[in-house]
Amino acid sequence: AQKITQTQPGMFVQEKEAVTLDCTYDTSDQSYGLFWYKQPSSGEMIFLIYQGSYDEQNATEGRYSLNFQKARKSANLVISASQLGDSAMYFCAMREGPRGSTLGRLYFGRGTQLTVWP
Amino acid sequence: GAVVSQHPSRVICKSGTSVKIECRSLDFQATTMFWYRQFPKQSLMLMATSNEGSKATYEQGVEKDKFLINHASLTLSTLTVTSAHPEDSSFYICSARKNEQFFGPGTRLTVL
Repeated sequence: AQKITQTQPGMFVQEKEAVTLDCTYDTSDQSYGLFWYKQPSSGEMIFLIYQGSYDEQNATEGRYSLNFQKARKSANLVISASQLGDSAMYFCAMREGPRGSTLGRLYFGRGTQLTVWP
Repeated sequence: GAVVSQHPSRVICKSGTSVKIECRSLDFQATTMFWYRQFPKQSLMLMATSNEGSKATYEQGVEKDKFLINHASLTLSTLTVTSAHPEDSSFYICSARKNEQFFGPGTRLTVL
């Protein structure tokens, strides 16, 4: 079974609008972490936001927020006030085990290509 | 901060040659580094986990003799693609673990 599922290969949003990128995950661990990365055409992986499985509040980082619904095993990324520079591939990822665990590998989804139009 | 560098950023080589890619953690020590491969429009695929002072752990289907990994110090891991062929052309990304993973900028390998 896929550990991380991103069902939207592509999304389009108009500048200044908000957009939600979907991510569901599958794990039997109680302790895990969820990440979102942005990958522009240059290829670098830019860390956006992190949510720990025990965090009660949804994570926020500037225009990014993570809608964490533990019972549904979903961790959707919400980008508010989209900008043209937000156009990129977005990956959801999960780390099983606690932070700093010697396991520590990341499982990535297939990604969502976001296009912001003027 | 947690900065990871990769060198080279781009390399073109002839089929049959070997190519070495370096991954360095610049401002922290990393006992564990990871090597990923990414084909165009696809996700990152973990190739191997590199542990300082010990042998790398390869993912299923990744040829150990083809992709040699050395993690000789706490700030440097190298990936050597031996006897490269055109099908090895890809984007290779490393990450170094300091609690969480921090990614290098990637290396684009083209084998002619």
